[in-house]
Amino acid sequence: AQKITQTQPGMFVQEKEAVTLDCTYDTSDQSYGLFWYKQPSSGEMIFLIYQGSYDEQNATEGRYSLNFQKARKSANLVISASQLGDSAMYFCAMRPTFGTSYGKLTFGQGTILTVHP
Amino acid sequence: SAVISQKPSRDICQRGTSLTIQCQVDSQVTMMFWYRQQPGQSLTLIATANQGSEATYESGFVIDKFPISRPNLTFSTLTVSNMSPEDSSIYLCSEVRRLNYGYTFGSGTRLTVV
Repeated sequence: AQKITQTQPGMFVQEKEAVTLDCTYDTSDQSYGLFWYKQPSSGEMIFLIYQGSYDEQNATEGRYSLNFQKARKSANLVISASQLGDSAMYFCAMRPTFGTSYGKLTFGQGTILTVHP
Repeated sequence: SAVISQKPSRDICQRGTSLTIQCQVDSQVTMMFWYRQQPGQSLTLIATANQGSEATYESGFVIDKFPISRPNLTFSTLTVSNMSPEDSSIYLCSEVRRLNYGYTFGSGTRLTVV
């Protein structure tokens, strides 16, 4: 079974500063994928970034980067130069590559990020 | 990336009734999923919608309560049956065509049962 833990229920950051959202995971699978999603108050799920368990480089997508530490089973999201529009709920998720849970996403509890002007 | 049209976007329903939620994808996809997000909570997988066969349900979810159809590779429905206030949630469909990339989600259906 897979488990995702996000220990920060809420985070605050000043506009234009960087912020790190924590995510740790637990799995016995050797091959898996890690995702971060943003959910604004409108409820839609917006894909931000993906990291494969065998990817050697940390993933980056614009202002988003994923700090992947495989040995520590952590996949923290770093948002640089925060903007007011970044205020939202952020979910970390993972899915196995093989097995009976193939393709199924498991989500963490989420972190509410508030960006102050 | 795919585009999923989900409807209705929101509804207020009487207890004991049923609501069917539809998801239309703009192209054929391999896998489709249905999630529930209870107020203030994370997303929980309800089931995997299988094309041409019965859906595969996760623990705690049953076909009688959440019947799912997937008649082709671009369309799926989820019915919430015999609703109670505890069914008030956001329901989201999702698709994946390439595992090494982000899953696309529908815009969600915000259901309130009174």
